[in-house]
Amino acid sequence: NAGVTQTPKFQVLKTGQSMTLQCAQDMNHNSMYWYRQDPGMGLRLIYYSASEGTTDKGEVPNGYNVSRLNKREFSLRLESAAPSQTSVYFCASSVSFSGADTQYFGPGTRLTVL
Amino acid sequence: AQSVAQPEDQVNVAEGNPLTVKCTYSVSGNPYLFWYVQYPNRGLQFLLKYITGDNLVKGSYGFEAEFNKSQTSFHLKKPSALVSDSALYFCAVRVFSGTYKYIFGTGTRLKVLA
Repeated sequence: NAGVTQTPKFQVLKTGQSMTLQCAQDMNHNSMYWYRQDPGMGLRLIYYSASEGTTDKGEVPNGYNVSRLNKREFSLRLESAAPSQTSVYFCASSVSFSGADTQYFGPGTRLTVL
Repeated sequence: AQSVAQPEDQVNVAEGNPLTVKCTYSVSGNPYLFWYVQYPNRGLQFLLKYITGDNLVKGSYGFEAEFNKSQTSFHLKKPSALVSDSALYFCAVRVFSGTYKYIFGTGTRLKVLA
């Protein structure tokens, strides 16, 4: 099992460019999440998908869109990148959205917006 | 507002000594509490969680954590630190407030000195 995989690992964008971060999990999990990690701020939830076919906003959704393509895949799109979106992005998945299920994280995408 | 606090940005400990990484929380209701570890350039890995029952929870790699409801704390401990324990540690709490949410602390960098 690969667990949670993310592509790309690194990306540099110019302000205004767009890109899509890809995430896939092979654990048959129902729920998937996108976080950003900034120094001194911990992890903040951008969007989540409690189950296939649903997506909801998290704490910091502005400037992002998501697509739950199927049960395995959950992508994050930046339509017009801004320097404030320079961050490390993590995708995670869990068996379900409720209760105390553990989240499993991907290795992250380090994004720099110039 | 619901929150998780990790009061120490960095903890230094000598190899072989006991270590403690502190976490306190402020949430309504009965929270589920988690510890995750992040090694350089990697995603977060689950260490342990408290749901209910025994206040002392044992997890991976010899780590344990003690839930203290009166002090609203969930400190991470290990009896004898290893250099390989050096990493970034995150406390997280799972709460229900209209929907389920994960709230992460800002992280504590543990440095174990040989």
